[in-house]
Amino acid sequence: DQQVKQNSPSLSVQEGRISILNCDYTNSMFDYFLWYKKYPAEGPTFLISISSIKDKNEDGRFTVFLNKSAKHLSLHIVPSQPGDSAVYFCAAKKMSSSYKLIFGSGTRLLVRP
Amino acid sequence: DGGITQSPKYLFRKEGQNVTLSCEQNLNHDAMYWYRQDPGQGLRLIYYSQIVNDFQKGDIAEGYSVSREKKESFPLTVTSAQKNPTAFYLCASSEAAANTIYFGEGSWLTVV
Repeated sequence: DQQVKQNSPSLSVQEGRISILNCDYTNSMFDYFLWYKKYPAEGPTFLISISSIKDKNEDGRFTVFLNKSAKHLSLHIVPSQPGDSAVYFCAAKKMSSSYKLIFGSGTRLLVRP
Repeated sequence: DGGITQSPKYLFRKEGQNVTLSCEQNLNHDAMYWYRQDPGQGLRLIYYSQIVNDFQKGDIAEGYSVSREKKESFPLTVTSAQKNPTAFYLCASSEAAANTIYFGEGSWLTVV
């Protein structure tokens, strides 16, 4: 039973355009959400996070939106750059159980020059 | 440089053999984790440790063992009981009760 789902295994976007990566979760107890970026044969690197008390968090070209009623979050990258091409993982947790981070299956983003 | 070091990067193992993956961190983090990634799947938690000399099973602990004798080290042993050991293994660490965990570069294990 997947508690965190990334239903799009891949996404292709033109350089300079917006990339939107989506993530859905089923556990209403989740109250903290993170996005990680991963290049092949490397460990994931932390990108951006959001707690459930907010509905938006922005860091440079990256913005995460949280819709608690729909149990949905999205990562927007504007403008997209070829170096953004990687696999993006969504993750969720309950802050009260700090050690259990649940990951989605990832979305492979390709930014075309 | 502060970070998490995993070794070896690539490891081949014969069926029936145990193998140990090393993970060392110099971030002074209290918590350490081991995750496994299979193609097309997310990261799944094998074991985690909140403090020295203590560790808990994650979602897929069967066939694995760990130890936490030192704060900076959290080795993972893949035993012969693990039925499908070929995977990419990721070690991570975090400050106590932190929301964000940080990953090492990963180790590829292939059973031949």
